Amino acid sequence: AQSVTQPDIHITVSEGASLELRCNYSYGATPYLFWYVQSPGQGLQLLLKYFSGDTLVQGIKGFEAEFKRSQSSFNLRKPSVHWSDAAEYFCAVGSPSGGYQKVTFGTGTKLQVIP
Amino acid sequence: DVKVTQSSRYLVKRTGEKVFLECVQDMDHENMFWYRQDPGLGLRLIYFSYDVKMKEKGDIPEGYSVSREKKERFSLILESASTNQTSMYLCASTTGGLAHQETQYFGPGTRLLVL
Repeated sequence: AQSVTQPDIHITVSEGASLELRCNYSYGATPYLFWYVQSPGQGLQLLLKYFSGDTLVQGIKGFEAEFKRSQSSFNLRKPSVHWSDAAEYFCAVGSPSGGYQKVTFGTGTKLQVIP
Repeated sequence: DVKVTQSSRYLVKRTGEKVFLECVQDMDHENMFWYRQDPGLGLRLIYFSYDVKMKEKGDIPEGYSVSREKKERFSLILESASTNQTSMYLCASTTGGLAHQETQYFGPGTRLLVL
């Protein structure tokens, strides 16, 4: 069965500092990988996704993520964090299951940005 | 832009009540999903539907049922609400078929409190 681990429950960074959120997955084949962001009181919004090809994926809002098969990781990065990036971030892994894509979400990492 | 709307942002119900959560999407998506989100547990799939009148159990279907009479609308039903169903409920939709690269589009969520 597929699974996702986000080892950091809560991260605090200063505005302007770089950010890396960790994600490790478990899946037998090449996975489909996603990062979603959830602002307070909102639903989830897709930041970026990886299916195949270039292992460095660019997303919205200046985020990027790198797929490393050898480490089973898909870490999210941003070179300079803005106060508006404070939110909860979810990594997810998807795989074909019957006629649809089964997506398993991690438990989330809450990002706090301090001035 | 895809829009997924949920009928209520906040609901307060009493134990034993029958509760209906409604979700509507406006992009003609085939697949619709209901998740519950709890702190430290991430998102867990309750039910999904890949077509009108079709439904499949997710990971935690106990205590819930669903209805999909029209393509754009997917309802989650708590037959007899219990306090352990207090949670945030998120609806999502994607395009269907066997294309496994769809992004899930989420509604804003319904925060349900069962007293």
